[in-house]
Amino acid sequence: AQSVTQLDSHVSVSEGTPVLLRCNYSSSYSPSLFWYVQHPNKGLQLLLKYTSAATLVKGINGFEAEFKKSETSFHLTKPSAHMSDAAEYFCVVSEGNTNAGKSTFGDGTTLTVKP
Amino acid sequence: DGGITQSPKYLFRKEGQNVTLSCEQNLNHDAMYWYRQDPGQGLRLIYYSQIVNDFQKGDIAEGYSVSREKKESFPLTVTSAQKNPTAFYLCASSIFGGTNTEAFFGQGTRLTVV
Repeated sequence: AQSVTQLDSHVSVSEGTPVLLRCNYSSSYSPSLFWYVQHPNKGLQLLLKYTSAATLVKGINGFEAEFKKSETSFHLTKPSAHMSDAAEYFCVVSEGNTNAGKSTFGDGTTLTVKP
Repeated sequence: DGGITQSPKYLFRKEGQNVTLSCEQNLNHDAMYWYRQDPGQGLRLIYYSQIVNDFQKGDIAEGYSVSREKKESFPLTVTSAQKNPTAFYLCASSIFGGTNTEAFFGQGTRLTVV
Protein backbone atom coordinates (compact mmCIF):
# COMPACT_ATOMS: atom_id res chain seq x y z
CA ALA A 1 0.00 0.00 0.00
CA GLN A 2 1.12 3.52 -0.67
CA SER A 3 0.40 6.79 1.08
CA VAL A 4 1.68 10.34 1.08
CA THR A 5 1.58 13.05 3.72
CA GLN A 6 2.17 16.70 3.04
CA LEU A 7 3.22 18.04 6.38
CA ASP A 8 2.03 21.63 5.93
CA SER A 9 -1.35 22.66 4.57
CA HIS A 10 -0.21 26.29 4.21
CA VAL A 11 3.23 27.84 3.78
CA SER A 12 3.85 31.57 3.58
CA VAL A 13 7.15 33.10 2.47
CA SER A 14 8.38 36.49 1.40
CA GLU A 15 9.42 37.07 -2.18
CA GLY A 16 13.10 36.28 -2.63
CA THR A 17 13.32 33.91 0.35
CA PRO A 18 13.68 30.10 0.15
CA VAL A 19 10.72 27.76 -0.22
CA LEU A 20 10.41 24.38 1.52
CA LEU A 21 7.34 22.19 1.02
CA ARG A 22 7.53 18.93 2.93
CA CYS A 23 6.35 15.52 1.80
CA ASN A 24 6.68 12.11 3.43
CA TYR A 25 5.63 8.92 1.71
CA SER A 26 5.01 5.29 2.46
CA SER A 27 5.43 2.56 -0.09
CA SER A 28 5.90 -1.21 -0.07
CA TYR A 29 7.84 -1.09 -3.32
CA SER A 30 10.26 1.23 -5.02
CA PRO A 31 8.12 4.30 -5.50
CA SER A 32 7.92 6.88 -8.20
CA LEU A 33 7.43 10.33 -6.73
CA PHE A 34 6.11 13.50 -8.32
CA TRP A 35 5.40 17.11 -7.48
CA TYR A 36 2.61 18.93 -9.31
CA VAL A 37 1.56 22.57 -9.14
CA GLN A 38 -1.99 23.87 -9.53
CA HIS A 39 -2.90 27.50 -10.04
CA PRO A 40 -6.47 28.57 -9.13
CA ASN A 41 -9.15 26.95 -11.26
CA LYS A 42 -6.55 25.24 -13.42
CA GLY A 43 -5.36 21.71 -14.01
CA LEU A 44 -2.20 20.24 -12.51
CA GLN A 45 1.20 20.74 -14.10
CA LEU A 46 4.16 18.47 -13.46
CA LEU A 47 7.05 20.20 -11.68
CA LEU A 48 9.41 17.26 -11.38
CA LYS A 49 9.57 13.51 -10.89
CA TYR A 50 11.86 11.04 -9.19
CA THR A 51 12.93 8.27 -11.54
CA SER A 52 15.29 6.28 -9.26
CA ALA A 53 18.28 7.55 -11.18
CA ALA A 54 19.46 10.63 -9.27
CA THR A 55 18.23 11.38 -5.77
CA LEU A 56 18.36 15.14 -6.38
CA VAL A 57 15.80 15.98 -9.01
CA LYS A 58 15.64 19.31 -10.80
CA GLY A 59 12.36 20.54 -12.19
CA ILE A 60 10.86 23.52 -13.92
CA ASN A 61 10.82 27.09 -12.63
CA GLY A 62 13.86 26.56 -10.39
CA PHE A 63 12.29 23.91 -8.16
CA GLU A 64 14.10 20.81 -7.02
CA ALA A 65 13.45 17.90 -4.69
CA GLU A 66 15.61 15.36 -2.94
CA PHE A 67 14.62 11.74 -2.51
CA LYS A 68 15.72 10.46 0.91
CA LYS A 69 14.90 6.81 1.31
CA SER A 70 16.08 6.61 4.92
CA GLU A 71 13.69 9.41 5.86
CA THR A 72 10.96 8.44 3.36
CA SER A 73 10.84 12.06 2.31
CA PHE A 74 10.65 13.98 -0.96
CA HIS A 75 10.69 17.64 0.03
CA LEU A 76 10.33 20.37 -2.60
CA THR A 77 12.61 23.40 -2.45
CA LYS A 78 13.37 26.58 -4.32
CA PRO A 79 16.16 29.00 -3.39
CA SER A 80 14.22 32.19 -4.03
CA ALA A 81 10.45 32.53 -4.18
CA HIS A 82 8.72 34.53 -6.89
CA MET A 83 5.23 35.97 -6.74
CA SER A 84 4.19 33.66 -9.57
CA ASP A 85 5.01 30.64 -7.39
CA ALA A 86 1.88 31.24 -5.31
CA ALA A 87 -0.24 28.16 -5.96
CA GLU A 88 -1.28 24.76 -4.60
CA TYR A 89 1.37 22.03 -4.65
CA PHE A 90 0.71 18.30 -4.60
CA CYS A 91 3.11 15.50 -3.74
CA VAL A 92 2.21 12.22 -5.45
CA VAL A 93 3.44 8.65 -5.02
CA SER A 94 3.12 5.77 -7.46
CA GLU A 95 4.03 2.32 -6.32
CA GLY A 96 5.83 -0.24 -8.43
CA ASN A 97 4.04 -0.59 -11.74
CA THR A 98 0.98 1.34 -10.62
CA ASN A 99 -0.53 3.12 -13.54
CA ALA A 100 0.36 6.79 -13.34
CA GLY A 101 -3.16 7.99 -12.82
CA LYS A 102 -3.80 5.56 -9.97
CA SER A 103 -1.22 7.30 -7.91
CA THR A 104 -1.92 8.57 -4.41
CA PHE A 105 -2.13 12.34 -4.02
CA GLY A 106 -1.31 14.31 -0.91
CA ASP A 107 -3.85 16.82 0.37
CA GLY A 108 -1.85 19.71 -1.02
CA THR A 109 0.13 22.65 0.34
CA THR A 110 -0.97 26.19 -0.41
CA LEU A 111 2.03 28.44 -0.98
CA THR A 112 1.54 32.15 -0.38
CA VAL A 113 4.26 34.57 -1.47
CA LYS A 114 4.27 37.98 0.18
CA PRO A 115 5.76 41.02 -1.57
CA ASP B 1 -0.67 21.29 -29.74
CA GLY B 2 -1.07 18.01 -27.88
CA GLY B 3 -3.06 18.03 -24.70
CA ILE B 4 -6.26 17.33 -22.85
CA THR B 5 -9.38 19.38 -23.33
CA GLN B 6 -12.18 19.48 -20.81
CA SER B 7 -15.49 21.15 -21.46
CA PRO B 8 -17.33 23.06 -20.30
CA LYS B 9 -15.18 25.06 -17.89
CA TYR B 10 -18.19 25.87 -15.70
CA LEU B 11 -21.38 23.82 -15.44
CA PHE B 12 -24.53 24.36 -13.45
CA ARG B 13 -26.93 21.57 -12.71
CA LYS B 14 -30.33 21.43 -11.11
CA GLU B 15 -30.87 18.84 -8.44
CA GLY B 16 -32.11 15.57 -9.91
CA GLN B 17 -30.51 16.12 -13.31
CA ASN B 18 -27.76 14.11 -14.93
CA VAL B 19 -24.91 16.03 -16.53
CA THR B 20 -22.02 14.90 -18.71
CA LEU B 21 -18.53 16.34 -18.58
CA SER B 22 -16.40 16.04 -21.67
CA CYS B 23 -12.73 15.01 -21.81
CA GLU B 24 -10.77 14.67 -25.04
CA GLN B 25 -7.04 14.00 -25.50
CA ASN B 26 -4.80 13.95 -28.55
CA LEU B 27 -1.71 12.60 -26.81
CA ASN B 28 -2.33 9.05 -28.00
CA HIS B 29 -2.44 7.90 -24.38
CA ASP B 30 -4.11 4.59 -23.59
CA ALA B 31 -5.03 5.43 -20.00
CA MET B 32 -7.49 8.10 -18.90
CA TYR B 33 -8.79 9.12 -15.47
CA TRP B 34 -11.39 11.23 -13.74
CA TYR B 35 -10.71 12.91 -10.42
CA ARG B 36 -12.81 14.95 -8.07
CA GLN B 37 -11.25 17.80 -6.09
CA ASP B 38 -12.89 19.45 -3.08
CA PRO B 39 -11.52 22.51 -1.26
CA GLY B 40 -8.54 21.72 0.95
CA GLN B 41 -8.37 18.15 -0.25
CA GLY B 42 -6.25 16.24 -2.67
CA LEU B 43 -7.55 14.51 -5.75
CA ARG B 44 -9.80 11.48 -5.40
CA LEU B 45 -10.07 8.98 -8.23
CA ILE B 46 -13.57 8.43 -9.60
CA TYR B 47 -13.02 6.13 -12.59
CA TYR B 48 -10.15 5.14 -14.83
CA SER B 49 -9.75 3.40 -18.14
CA GLN B 50 -6.65 1.65 -19.38
CA ILE B 51 -7.97 0.70 -22.80
CA VAL B 52 -10.90 1.37 -25.07
CA ASN B 53 -14.18 -0.28 -24.03
CA ASP B 54 -12.87 -1.02 -20.56
CA PHE B 55 -12.93 0.98 -17.33
CA GLN B 56 -12.68 0.44 -13.58
CA LYS B 57 -14.11 2.11 -10.53
CA GLY B 58 -11.86 4.30 -8.47
CA ASP B 59 -12.24 5.23 -4.84
CA ILE B 60 -15.46 7.27 -5.13
CA ALA B 61 -17.36 5.88 -8.13
CA GLU B 62 -20.85 5.90 -6.59
CA GLY B 63 -23.16 8.30 -8.41
CA TYR B 64 -20.93 8.54 -11.48
CA SER B 65 -20.71 6.70 -14.79
CA VAL B 66 -18.24 6.71 -17.69
CA SER B 67 -17.77 5.32 -21.16
CA ARG B 68 -14.69 4.74 -23.30
CA GLU B 69 -15.83 4.15 -26.84
CA LYS B 70 -12.87 5.94 -28.41
CA LYS B 71 -9.26 6.20 -27.33
CA GLU B 72 -9.43 9.97 -27.41
CA SER B 73 -12.57 10.43 -25.33
CA PHE B 74 -13.59 9.60 -21.76
CA PRO B 75 -16.81 11.41 -20.79
CA LEU B 76 -18.03 11.43 -17.19
CA THR B 77 -21.72 11.51 -16.29
CA VAL B 78 -22.67 12.82 -12.88
CA THR B 79 -25.99 11.20 -12.10
CA SER B 80 -28.78 12.27 -9.80
CA ALA B 81 -27.61 9.54 -7.43
CA GLN B 82 -24.52 11.57 -6.57
CA LYS B 83 -25.48 13.23 -3.30
CA ASN B 84 -22.99 16.06 -3.29
CA PRO B 85 -21.82 16.71 -6.85
CA THR B 86 -20.62 20.29 -6.43
CA ALA B 87 -16.84 20.07 -6.98
CA PHE B 88 -13.98 20.66 -9.37
CA TYR B 89 -13.52 17.74 -11.77
CA LEU B 90 -10.21 16.96 -13.42
CA CYS B 91 -9.52 14.60 -16.28
CA ALA B 92 -6.06 13.17 -16.89
CA SER B 93 -4.30 10.77 -19.22
CA SER B 94 -1.06 8.84 -19.21
CA ILE B 95 0.92 6.21 -21.00
CA PHE B 96 -0.40 2.89 -19.79
CA GLY B 97 1.71 0.99 -17.34
CA GLY B 98 5.28 1.32 -16.19
CA THR B 99 6.81 3.48 -13.55
CA ASN B 100 8.03 7.02 -13.87
CA THR B 101 5.21 8.02 -16.19
CA GLU B 102 3.38 11.12 -15.15
CA ALA B 103 -0.24 12.04 -15.74
CA PHE B 104 -1.22 14.97 -17.94
CA PHE B 105 -4.20 17.01 -16.74
CA GLY B 106 -6.94 19.02 -18.35
CA GLN B 107 -7.95 22.46 -17.07
CA GLY B 108 -10.90 21.16 -15.13
CA THR B 109 -14.67 21.61 -15.02
CA ARG B 110 -16.29 23.30 -12.06
CA LEU B 111 -19.73 21.79 -11.44
CA THR B 112 -22.24 23.59 -9.24
CA VAL B 113 -25.62 22.27 -8.23
CA VAL B 114 -28.24 24.98 -8.02
